[in-house]
Amino acid sequence: GAGVSQTPSNKVTEKGKYVELRCDPISGHTALYWYRQSLGQGPEFLIYFQGTGAADDSGLPNDRFFAVRPEGSVSTLKIQRTERGDSAVYLCASSLGHSGANVLTFGAGSRLTVL
Amino acid sequence: GDSVTQMEGPVTLSEEAFLTINCTYTATGYPSLFWYVQYPGEGLQLLLKATKADDKGSNKGFEATYRKETTSFHLEKGSVQVSDSAVYFCALLYNQGGKLIFGQGTELSVKP
Repeated sequence: GAGVSQTPSNKVTEKGKYVELRCDPISGHTALYWYRQSLGQGPEFLIYFQGTGAADDSGLPNDRFFAVRPEGSVSTLKIQRTERGDSAVYLCASSLGHSGANVLTFGAGSRLTVL
Repeated sequence: GDSVTQMEGPVTLSEEAFLTINCTYTATGYPSLFWYVQYPGEGLQLLLKATKADDKGSNKGFEATYRKETTSFHLEKGSVQVSDSAVYFCALLYNQGGKLIFGQGTELSVKP
């Protein structure tokens, strides 16, 4: 597609529930990134994929968070047993490669609210 | 660890005023540096970048120079417009990896 598409744009859930957030990157972009942005803060790195594999998952806060990209295109961020502290905007970005010369294009984000 | 520090906002300016948003970084190597902008209700967009020391990035009248000696990448614009009202994020990225490290953001509000 023309840009990075994220669904849903808004998700409200209850504490303890399971949530999936989807990212559809720009066609042909091999690198895909997930970030989390809390209110009034800059985006915080979670994980990045090069192709199908997670090249760096050092930003995932704990084992309740997991992300997959089975065919090297669409990615799903999965959050188990959600907590109120998980409330944030989850941003996805993609780029042609993973070097510093490649610009990241961000999606509009998925706003997660955990009640 | 590596980090980016930006001047705190909000910054409020009148139209046509001069803008500076300070950004300094801490890094062990030689990262690329970026400014991203987030307009109200929109996603993050790349504003400009610089990939090595003394490079100047520029776009839409905004400029920033990569200063290795002061580890800074301050954003400047000579004459701001109301349409520049947004949140601005400074970020660094290592060439070998894909992890962008962002500052906390600086909100700019330009009044007519």
